[in-house]
Order: sequence, then C-alpha cells, then structure tokens
Amino acid sequence: EDQVTQSPEALRLQEGESSSLNCSYTVSGLRGLFWYRQDPGKGPEFLFTLYSAGEEKEKERLKATLTKKESFLHITAPKPEDSATYLCAAFAGGSYIPTFGRGTSLIVHP
Amino acid sequence: DADVTQTPRNRITKTGKRIMLECSQTKGHDRMYWYRQDPGLGLRLIYYSFDVKDINKGEISDGYSVSRQAQAKFSLSLESAIPNQTALYFCATSELGTSGSRRNEQFFGPGTRLTVL
Repeated sequence: EDQVTQSPEALRLQEGESSSLNCSYTVSGLRGLFWYRQDPGKGPEFLFTLYSAGEEKEKERLKATLTKKESFLHITAPKPEDSATYLCAAFAGGSYIPTFGRGTSLIVHP
Repeated sequence: DADVTQTPRNRITKTGKRIMLECSQTKGHDRMYWYRQDPGLGLRLIYYSFDVKDINKGEISDGYSVSRQAQAKFSLSLESAIPNQTALYFCATSELGTSGSRRNEQFFGPGTRLTVL
C-alpha cells in the first residue's frame, strides 16, 4: 500500500529562521511528487512537481528536493505570510492517482 | 476568474436530506476528482473521472454518488446526508497523464464547507 508521511505535524518558526519540512514516501514506482500550500478554509495551491531523485525546484523562499525515499521543502528566511499548511503527494503507476500526506502546519511569527 | 469553481461554498443541511455539490472547470482538463478533508485525516479521495464516460470509486465512496455531465462539470451527491459527512469538500482537475507526460499535477477548487446537523 502506498504511504506518504509528513513531519513534523506542526512547526513554529520565528521570522527569518530557516527550516525544512519532510515528506517520506513508500510508493511502488514513483512517477512524481507534488507539493501544495493550503491556507485555512481554502483549496490547496500547487507549488512544485518533482519527477526524479536529485531534482530540485525553487520558488521565492521555497526549495523542494527529492531523493529515492523522501522529499524536503526547505524554507529560507520565512516571513509570516509563509504561514500555511504544506501538503505533499506522491503518485505512481498508470492511474496517476496521488497519495496525500496529512500535511505540516507552519506558523511563522513576526 | 477562477479556473475551478465549486458551488455552493457553504451549506448547512439536516440528516437525511439529499445534497448536490457542483464543480465546473475552464482549464480544459479531462480528469476530475472529488475529495473530502477532515481535520487530522488529510485529503481523502471520494470519486474520480478520467473522461465523461469514465467514473471510478475512490477510497471512501460509500454514501456518495457522482455525475460527469460534461468535460467541464462533475457533481457530487449525498443521497441521504449524515452528520459524519460534515467536512470540507474539494474538487480537483488534472490533464490526461501519459507515461511521457509531465503534466500530472492537480488543481483544486476553493472548497465547499458542508455541515450536516
């Protein structure tokens, strides 16, 4: 059974304090891994797709990386507006139905 | 304008009532999905459709049904609502993925908050 586990469940940072969120996956034949940002009461907003180990994607203060077992979302010098829940999802096989993790709730204090 | 829209955005109903949630998209995507989200449980797939003639059950389809009226429209129905169906419901779309495609990411609507009393 495909599984995606995100850690930590919650993270509190001070503004400017860099950190990383983890997404570990057990998926047979990974086709790709998604990262999303979700604000309270809103739909997830697509951030990145990573397709192969070693791949990296960047957007503003966010950088996503992928290994054969896990993905990291690095947040450099975060700002309060980066506060959100970050979801990752892995998809495999021919159906392309992703398996979602439960998310990491990030709060950045000014 | 939003690419994926959901109506209604909020709904309060009573146990036993029939409810329909609607999703429309202007992205031109073939694939559409319905998810529910509960605190601590993450996103769970209810139904998905790869084209107008293709409907598939997800992991939690009991108590729900769907209709794909057109490429752009995908509706979710609760035939007889019960309180444990209180949740945030999301519609999502994606392009038709192929083995060589790199466009498999899903795009989500704004959600419908459903409360069943």
